[in-house]
Amino acid sequence: EVQLVQPGAEVKKPGESLKISCKTSGYTFTNYWIAWVRQMPGKGLEWMGIIYPGFSDTRYSPSFQGQVTISADKSISTAYLQWSTLKASDTAMYYCARHRLVSDPFDLWGQGTLVTVSS
Amino acid sequence: SYAPTQPPSVSVAPGEAARITCGVNNFAGRSVHWYQQRPGQAPVLVIYYDSERPSGLPERFSGSSSGNTATLTITRVEAGDEADYYCQVWDSSSDHPGVFGTGTKVTVL
Repeated sequence: EVQLVQPGAEVKKPGESLKISCKTSGYTFTNYWIAWVRQMPGKGLEWMGIIYPGFSDTRYSPSFQGQVTISADKSISTAYLQWSTLKASDTAMYYCARHRLVSDPFDLWGQGTLVTVSS
Repeated sequence: SYAPTQPPSVSVAPGEAARITCGVNNFAGRSVHWYQQRPGQAPVLVIYYDSERPSGLPERFSGSSSGNTATLTITRVEAGDEADYYCQVWDSSSDHPGVFGTGTKVTVL
């Protein structure tokens, strides 16, 4: 079965670091882009950036450039989204999704990781 | 704002048609995809490349684009269609290549 599996939730304090995962299975990891999408509470979807694990080609939205790091580990077919210093405003649901070509639609989504940053 | 504009809400009676618009400056050279997000769930693709429908999706969902507007149409609306709908516009030359629209809440009366 083709799937993207994300941890359900993470709770952190401001100033802490965090790396959330998107574990894929059922398809060739290096042949698809993985995107990360943010959804703040009660708000819409925001495109954060993408990575092509085959070449480690990574692109960021200007809104998120320098704020997060997107990476991938081909050996375990897993993509990551990472923060070095969390802020309360990073509280949101984060989805990963896959797409075949860079402009292709996101045909499969993870269930999302709810990140809560609170003191 | 660079985000494509969508009406915040659309209300429709069961059995009627819902039309959701997505406005950008110019669709030439851009691809439009549409997603449905039910409460508490991850988004699901419903239309891609303006008007293509994923296998298994009811024919009640259709897409089109003309000029500066793309449109998602849901005919014979059912209670299960109540959800948020987002367009996504791909423009590889943009600083925000995969930007999502502002989202539309469809309410079935």
